[in-house]
Amino acid sequence: GENVEQHPSTLSVQEGDSAVIKCTYSDSASNYFPWYKQELGKRPQLIIDIRSNVGEKKDQRIAVTLNKTAKHFSLHITETQPEDSAVYFCAALEYGNKLVFGAGTILRVKS
Amino acid sequence: GAVVSQHPSWVICKSGTSVKIECRSLDFQATTMFWYRQFPKQSLMLMATSNEGSKATYEQGVEKDKFLINHASLTLSTLTVTSAHPEDSSFYICSGVRGVDTEAFFGQGTRLTVV
Repeated sequence: GENVEQHPSTLSVQEGDSAVIKCTYSDSASNYFPWYKQELGKRPQLIIDIRSNVGEKKDQRIAVTLNKTAKHFSLHITETQPEDSAVYFCAALEYGNKLVFGAGTILRVKS
Repeated sequence: GAVVSQHPSWVICKSGTSVKIECRSLDFQATTMFWYRQFPKQSLMLMATSNEGSKATYEQGVEKDKFLINHASLTLSTLTVTSAHPEDSSFYICSGVRGVDTEAFFGQGTRLTVV
């Protein structure tokens, strides 16, 4: 089955700086890669996603890049703000519509 | 996006009792619903997949007799934790999908505490 690895586990940045979180996946058949933001005690919130026929997608301060050959994808947050502080999860969709999640990254934006 | 409503948002129960958690898709028909468990400071781990009108498929290591899943309609799936024990205390989250290879919509989650 699919295996997703996520790095780093924690990330501290200064407000205004950029943050990058990276994930790798194992199943080359996976074709959908969402990113979620989760605040304590809340449900995961989809912030951006990308399909395997696209190499990059951007939505305001958030962008995701996908390298199918290397089987890795990354989340880029520019001009970080304190409200970006949360846990971020990457995921890959495997056979049966199942999402396999990375271990998560705690992002702290210091003001 | 579509809305999935999960209830209750939190529950405290005594050891040995059963707890039922409901997950409803409010504005779409969820052909498949997924149930996850999330322990503190950990990721979401898939417990089982339920398809309307058929038996749930459980992930390896998840006891199907302990975590009973019913998906009686395209808008309702339930998870019953039977004979709950303190180690079952966790955050349980459901998600529904409308089709194949599409976005998952998550419920609010249920914080279960077994005392």
